[in-house]
Amino acid sequence: GDSVTQTEGLVTVTEGLPVMLNCTYQTAYSDVAFFWYVQYLNEAPKLLLRSSTDNKRTEHQGFHATLHKSSSSFHLQKSSVQLSDSALYYCALSDRGNMGYKLTFGTGTSLLVDP
Amino acid sequence: NAGVIQTPRHKVTGKGQEATLWCEPISGHSAVFWYRQTIVQGLEFLTYFRNQAPIDDSGMPKERFSAQMPNQSHSTLKIQSTQPQDSAVYLCASSSGQQANYEQYFGPGTRLTVL
Repeated sequence: GDSVTQTEGLVTVTEGLPVMLNCTYQTAYSDVAFFWYVQYLNEAPKLLLRSSTDNKRTEHQGFHATLHKSSSSFHLQKSSVQLSDSALYYCALSDRGNMGYKLTFGTGTSLLVDP
Repeated sequence: NAGVIQTPRHKVTGKGQEATLWCEPISGHSAVFWYRQTIVQGLEFLTYFRNQAPIDDSGMPKERFSAQMPNQSHSTLKIQSTQPQDSAVYLCASSSGQQANYEQYFGPGTRLTVL
């Protein structure tokens, strides 16, 4: 089955500095989409950005990610983090498998931005 | 648009009791998903309905968990004989589309605590 790996459980960054959250995946399907969801404390997960196109940069709210099928990666980056970026970030994929479009999530990375 | 509605927001049950969780998807959305969120496992898929029909229940613990979608406006997740390990936040999500890159909109979740 599909799998998504997020190697960092917690990332701490000083405000104004860049950050990269790692995401790699395994899937046997070709019709696949990739997502980053963000979850603020006591809130529902919300879509941050998504992509299904190889080597195309996707941007939203200052964050960007590029799907690289050659390395099975979809890392999330931001050039200058803000205190309000502190949240839990999930990488996920959805494939056109036999049973439809469930999301397979990584274990999540908590981003803590220090002043 | 009120978003995905989940009730109750918090539920406390004793070991061995039954718990029923409710979800009202966004009006017009054809797909409804249930996920479970814990600190250790993160977000895990449970089950998925499309146009009220069950499509994939591969994530459901077989013996005590069941889900239904009797009409297009609500779905229920029932846990019989609850156990402490069932304690988690149960999230419902809905989606309008039938392609891998369609966004899933999450509800605020029901926090289940089994004593």
